[in-house]
Amino acid sequence: QSALTQPASVSGSPGQSITISCTGTSSDVGGYNYVSWYRQHPGKAPKLMIYDVTNRPSGVSNRFSGSKSGNTASLTISGLQAEDEADYYCSSYTSGSTLVLFGGGTKLTVL
Amino acid sequence: QLQLQESGPGLVKPSETLSLTCTVSGDSISSSSYYWGWIRQPPGKGLEWIGSIYFSGSTYYNPSLRSRVTVSVDTSKNQFSLKLRSVTAADTAVYYCMRHIYVNMVWGQGNLVTVSS
Repeated sequence: QSALTQPASVSGSPGQSITISCTGTSSDVGGYNYVSWYRQHPGKAPKLMIYDVTNRPSGVSNRFSGSKSGNTASLTISGLQAEDEADYYCSSYTSGSTLVLFGGGTKLTVL
Repeated sequence: QLQLQESGPGLVKPSETLSLTCTVSGDSISSSSYYWGWIRQPPGKGLEWIGSIYFSGSTYYNPSLRSRVTVSVDTSKNQFSLKLRSVTAADTAVYYCMRHIYVNMVWGQGNLVTVSS
């Protein structure tokens, strides 16, 4: 069982918007503004899409946005495109000697 | 531009030690205020953080693997390494090295390691 909870799957049609949630605790997601989101296509390494809850790395489309409320972070993808179909993972910094937590991953299907 | 490249055997026998090295280019392990770490992904499953080492030498490990894991650096070669002892089939995975600050990570391309006799 993963430390952070994500839905196993979400789906949407091209052009629509979807949101993926990532729920943790006050010791991780809720306690720090250090949540990242990664996209992983089959056979590829994960790619950073959002860091520090809301920031997009250079080169990432502004269709991707992040937010946080309490112990739950969210990734929103607007204007869904076929290339968005992938697995998405959230990650959070956590206190103590365990630095990094991951969610179990969410499979996004573009219908 | 930062690049990380994993290297090591693709096949390890049960009960032996898995050893991987990550060669870093485009940054100096010893002079930058980053963590250098390892993540793995079993086939068809999610991501699992294994452990990280800070540029100062402090180490941090996943509690579930702590008794079997060592992450170390070789500053002369600008490399860092992973050793995972007493492996079983459950340790079969793609192993990624990465540089991170908090959870802002830059990844290598990954190295599949299979544990089998």
